[in-house]
Amino acid sequence: QQPVQSPQAVILREGEDAVINCSSSKALYSVHWYRQKHGEAPVFLMILLKGGEQKGHEKISASFNEKKQQSSLYLTASQLSYSGTYFCGTEEKGGAQKLVFGQGTRLTINP
Amino acid sequence: KAGVTQTPRYLIKTRGQQVTLSCSPISGHRSVSWYQQTPGQGLQFLFEYFSETQRNKGNFPGRFSGRQFSNSRSEMNVSTLELGDSALYLCASSLSGPYNEQFFGPGTRLTVL
Repeated sequence: QQPVQSPQAVILREGEDAVINCSSSKALYSVHWYRQKHGEAPVFLMILLKGGEQKGHEKISASFNEKKQQSSLYLTASQLSYSGTYFCGTEEKGGAQKLVFGQGTRLTINP
Repeated sequence: KAGVTQTPRYLIKTRGQQVTLSCSPISGHRSVSWYQQTPGQGLQFLFEYFSETQRNKGNFPGRFSGRQFSNSRSEMNVSTLELGDSALYLCASSLSGPYNEQFFGPGTRLTVL
């Protein structure tokens, strides 16, 4: 079951904050976040394994609410380099060990 | 450490033909996953191989197949190509499975005419 990401697209000015949400109808074991810049391959950002876990990567952090089967990615004081499409990938509890990716959120940072 | 490589980078085929794509994972990585990326569908999981065995398969027709060799290199084959198969095909390698950090290759852009 493909997770649902929201919003589908967001445009920010440099320095503003953004939140990208990922929601699944299935119980999740883990949530993964990747960023893909235009014309490039997706690049790993982080994995969240436990309910409530929060991880950080520079000014990019994420949380995982296991009860709600949701994860949120937080981009603080966004930089031009943060532009790209963000994908969440979910691994379902009791399911096959594979990732199902959401459709992506396109983030555009303007100067 | 060399990254994931995919060949060829671009392919143009006609309907009904078949195609083989190749992926060389990062040295030491035993898991290779394949994804189809299209503007409308995002990243769709095709299958995953580990130590020459297919462990998982996505919801794609049997025209899509793959294999992995003893050196962990993987190939993906699509037979009887359809227009809808036009996409970017990405492979990703990881140490033990897609639930670990995956490293993606640059992809093969397949166009079916």
